[in-house]
Amino acid sequence: GAVVSQHPSRVICKSGTSVKIECRSLDFQATTMFWYRQFPKKSLMLMATSNEGSKATYEQGVEKDKFLINHASLTLSTLTVTSAHPEDSSFYICSAARGDNNEQFFGPGTRLTVL
Amino acid sequence: GQNIDQPTEMTATEGAIVQINCTYQTSGFNGLFWYQQHAGEAPTFLSYNVLDGLEEKGRFSSFLSRSKGYSYLLLKELQMKDSASYLCAVLDSNYQLIWGAGTKLIIKP
Repeated sequence: GAVVSQHPSRVICKSGTSVKIECRSLDFQATTMFWYRQFPKKSLMLMATSNEGSKATYEQGVEKDKFLINHASLTLSTLTVTSAHPEDSSFYICSAARGDNNEQFFGPGTRLTVL
Repeated sequence: GQNIDQPTEMTATEGAIVQINCTYQTSGFNGLFWYQQHAGEAPTFLSYNVLDGLEEKGRFSSFLSRSKGYSYLLLKELQMKDSASYLCAVLDSNYQLIWGAGTKLIIKP
């Protein structure tokens, strides 16, 4: 159990467009979902934490208006990168916590390339 | 501030044993995780320690000493597929995961 899916796995878009990434917990209800960004050969950088039905909590330095997070249900969270620019190109990973020991289950990640 | 330290890179030989250390200084402690991450993929869970001592799971074991702010991940009978980055992460008093930068493990034949 504890499978998290992420869609799409890979996306290439033009500068100025918006991209939506979905994160779903397939076989459990996630109390909290997390969005991470990872640059090549670097560790995970937490962008924001979201709980179902409430506003996401963004980490310092992460623009709320640029990275829109919607946590619609206990199994779905979406990250929208608005007006994407080449510097937004990165590996975006979501995770979902189940609440027993706060272990996070990771989605497979989304590789975003902005041209 | 909060800090997780682990070596940047380690090299080991196939069939051998390797120990990856992690030291931490965090505001509170609610457990320590080890994750494995292959290049281009998301992390996968390896272990969780919240009490002192050794947790063994097949070829992988994880040790924790809360008084020393120290953990290690022990990998036995190394296989080529174990070449990956190993991430240490601590759950702080706010239940936020604080991540180390990861240790890249290179396995040589």
